[in-house]
Amino acid sequence: KAGVTQTPRYLIKTRGQQVTLSCSPISGHRSVSWYQQTPGQGLQFLFEYFSETQRNKGNFPGRFSGRQFSNSRSEMNVSTLELGDSALYLCASSPGGDTGELFFGEGSRLTVL
Amino acid sequence: DAKTTQPPSMDCAEGRAANLPCNHSTISGNEYVYWYRQIHSQGPQYIIHGLKNNETNEMASLIITEDRKSSTLILPHATLRDTAVYYCIVRALRLLNDYKLSFGAGTTVTVRA
Repeated sequence: KAGVTQTPRYLIKTRGQQVTLSCSPISGHRSVSWYQQTPGQGLQFLFEYFSETQRNKGNFPGRFSGRQFSNSRSEMNVSTLELGDSALYLCASSPGGDTGELFFGEGSRLTVL
Repeated sequence: DAKTTQPPSMDCAEGRAANLPCNHSTISGNEYVYWYRQIHSQGPQYIIHGLKNNETNEMASLIITEDRKSSTLILPHATLRDTAVYYCIVRALRLLNDYKLSFGAGTTVTVRA
């Protein structure tokens, strides 16, 4: 079974630009969550989608948004990029249920110059 | 969710068992203990979780003390590929469908040949 796939793996943007990251969950998984990881702040929750609906949201500004499609694939968008947005963005999928187990992708490493 | 305390680093000889401690003295009765690890530049990988009974899978064993205030992750025969940052987290049962996951600093495990 294929794992969680994130694209692109690496990208470089400049301040003020916007970026869209993509995540394809494991087949059959309906929950997709997004996280930002930086050396200083560690892993921080962005938002979670289930069946195309945002169920949970972390404490990030409105510049960070996401969506989920009917095939469970998800995208996140960051507008008006700032230097502090440089991070590893991780996507995780879950089958749901009562295990709480998350399967992470390799991440998209964003550098903002 | 209850906070966890882990040693910042530990070394282990290849082929030997690695015992990773975690303190969670404020854990509640409905909180599970989860372990993840993150190999450099990769996404976190689920290892194991448990509520109060000891658990074992193909990757590791989880030993939870009777009072549930601490636990130990055991890698029975450490290999060089087990070098990673290991995260211990606790999550409430009611939040298992709420993926506001956050990792602390974790334990950096270095397996030496």
